[in-house]
Amino acid sequence: SAVISQKPSRDICQRGTSLTIQCQVDSQVTMMFWYRQQPGQSLTLIATANQGSEATYESGFVIDKFPISRPNLTFSTLTVSNLSPEDSSIYLCSVDPQETQYFGPGTRLLVL
Amino acid sequence: SQKIEQNSEALNIQEGKTATLTCNYTNYSPAYLQWYRQDPGRGPVFLLLIRENEKEKRKERLKVTFDTTLKQSLFHITASQPADSATYLCALRMDSSYKLIFGSGTRLLVRP
Repeated sequence: SAVISQKPSRDICQRGTSLTIQCQVDSQVTMMFWYRQQPGQSLTLIATANQGSEATYESGFVIDKFPISRPNLTFSTLTVSNLSPEDSSIYLCSVDPQETQYFGPGTRLLVL
Repeated sequence: SQKIEQNSEALNIQEGKTATLTCNYTNYSPAYLQWYRQDPGRGPVFLLLIRENEKEKRKERLKVTFDTTLKQSLFHITASQPADSATYLCALRMDSSYKLIFGSGTRLLVRP
C-alpha cells in the first residue's frame, strides 16, 4: 500500500494566478499520476510523471498550462497556471505500485 | 467511441438490502476492472480488482462479477449499512497501458 499526502488541501485563487500542488508518497514509486475531478464528474488523467524524465500528458492537457516536476521517487508537484474559473476542480495525485491505485486526499481549487 | 457508463442516478436502498451497481463499457478490451469508493472531499479508495479471465470476486460483504461478453461488471454490497453510503467508481485498465480509465460513478444512499 501507499500513503499519499497533498498540500494544500484547498485554496481559493484569483484569475490569472497559478497554484502549485505538492504530492508526497511514503514509499518510492516509479510513476505518479495527476488527475482532475470536476464537480459531479469522474476522474480525468492529466499526466503521468516519471522521475528523471518529462511528464507524459493526456490529450487536452499541455505542459504550459500544467507543468509538473518529479525531482525524486517520493515527490511531485503539479502547477495549474494562468488560472480561470474553468480550472475550479479537485486535483488528485495517485500512485500505482501493484496494479491498484492509491490516491491522495485531493486539493480543492476554487478560482474567482 | 469508447465509453464507460455507470448509472448517474443515485441508488437509494434500505439498510440490510443488497445494493447492486452496474458498470458497462463499449469499445474496450480491458485486462482488468477495478471498483473504488469515494467519499465527499476525499480521494477514491480501492475496493476490488477482477481480471478478464475471472467471473466473480468476493471480499467480505462485497462481490464483483465481470462478463466480458456483455461488457459489464456488477458490484454488489450485501447487508448494506448507512456507512456504505458513498460514490462507487469503476475503472478499466487495458493490457497495453498503465492507465486507468474511470467511469463517472454511482452514488449509493443507504437509509437506516
